[in-house]
Amino acid sequence: DAGVTQSPTHLIKTRGQQVTLRCSPKSGHDTVSWYQQALGQGPQFIFQYYEEEERQRGNFPDRFSGHQFPNYSSELNVNALLLGDSALYLCASSLFGEGGGETQYFGPGTRLLVL
Amino acid sequence: AQSVAQPEDQVNVAEGNPLTVKCTYSVSGNPYLFWYVQYPNRGLQFLLKYITGDNLVKGSYGFEAEFNKSQTSFHLKKPSALVSDSALYFCAVRDETGAGSYQLTFGKGTKLSVIP
Repeated sequence: DAGVTQSPTHLIKTRGQQVTLRCSPKSGHDTVSWYQQALGQGPQFIFQYYEEEERQRGNFPDRFSGHQFPNYSSELNVNALLLGDSALYLCASSLFGEGGGETQYFGPGTRLLVL
Repeated sequence: AQSVAQPEDQVNVAEGNPLTVKCTYSVSGNPYLFWYVQYPNRGLQFLLKYITGDNLVKGSYGFEAEFNKSQTSFHLKKPSALVSDSALYFCAVRDETGAGSYQLTFGKGTKLSVIP
């Protein structure tokens, strides 16, 4: 049973560039959430996608956008990169309506460095 | 708004001794509470969760957590620590109802070091 997978594992970009990160959910899951984890901090919620729609969004600017595909996989796009966008980006998947709180299972993350 | 506090940045414990990692939370409605563990350069691994019912929740790798509604706490415990338990531990909360009901809010994490 494949878990959550993310690509790429590492990425280096320069300020002002754009980046796309990809996530495939755990088999049987239909909901994808994205989190940003800065060094030494806990993950911060960016947004969640369900049925190809953004269901909820955290306190992130519009430079952060996403998409969910019919096969439930998802992309996170960040435009006009800033140095402060350097972080570990985590994707989590869950099953909507799961009894008991919709446990989110995390992928290994993509480490983004902005120079 | 929902929030989580992990008051200790680091916890040191000798191998074989019991360990406790503390967590307190704040939500408007009823909480869903989670513990995750993160090893270096890895994502988060789910350990256990509290939804409702028994206040003592058992999870993976011998960990358990105790929900205390009056103290708004959800401390992680293990009777006998292993060196391999050394990692970063995160407590997270979801509000059962309300605007924040889909997102997990995490604490800053507690680094657990188990000394041989």
